[in-house]
Amino acid sequence: DTGVSQDPRHKITKRGQNVTFRCDPISEHNRLYWYRQTLGQGPEFLTYFQNEAQLEKSRLLSDRFSAERPKGSFSTLEIQRTEQGDSAMYLCASSFLGKYSPLHFGNGTRLTVT
Amino acid sequence: QQQVKQSPQSLIVQKGGISIINCAYENTAFDYFPWYQQFPGKGPALLIAIRPDVSEKKEGRFTISFNKSAKQFSLHIMDSQPGDSATYFCAASITLTGGGNKLTFGTGTQLKVEL
Repeated sequence: DTGVSQDPRHKITKRGQNVTFRCDPISEHNRLYWYRQTLGQGPEFLTYFQNEAQLEKSRLLSDRFSAERPKGSFSTLEIQRTEQGDSAMYLCASSFLGKYSPLHFGNGTRLTVT
Repeated sequence: QQQVKQSPQSLIVQKGGISIINCAYENTAFDYFPWYQQFPGKGPALLIAIRPDVSEKKEGRFTISFNKSAKQFSLHIMDSQPGDSATYFCAASITLTGGGNKLTFGTGTQLKVEL
């Protein structure tokens, strides 16, 4: 399977704990995105990388959230001091360079904060 | 602020019928309009997309109609099949620093195609 891979698929954590998610994009893709999707809603943009550079962050991304993409390959999204409101599906997507390059999404990591 | 409004929230169509989902946007800076299909437990998958210089695009049973002056676009699924039962999201894209695409999604339409 050469699609976008996300790990873990599910994560249950207690409030106040830190969690980290991993995304492996399609290997030829230079751009990598993180989105968050809550139940019954469409995905919301969190942040975006072009190669290893983080070029844009949403205001939704509080200082408890940090994302990295070392060496322009896989990416990690860390949430510190989790809150119940962080419970959501975290989706990673990747694309080629190019103005209208379609985003290819992974199957997400579902986070539940108890 | 909901920048992309999608309707209906849910839709039931008979097999072989036409499914129609509508979206409206406010921000004229949007320059690319994709539709995504999502099955339970899966990520969204791109179905079809259109640029604002085109009024209609057809791929197989899926057609996007785009009305730039009204700031509206719609998805038509012809000959709907039970396998089309899924949640459909419209989206609108703005170009980011470096040329990436920031998608703003609608709230989704749950489509059920009955036999």
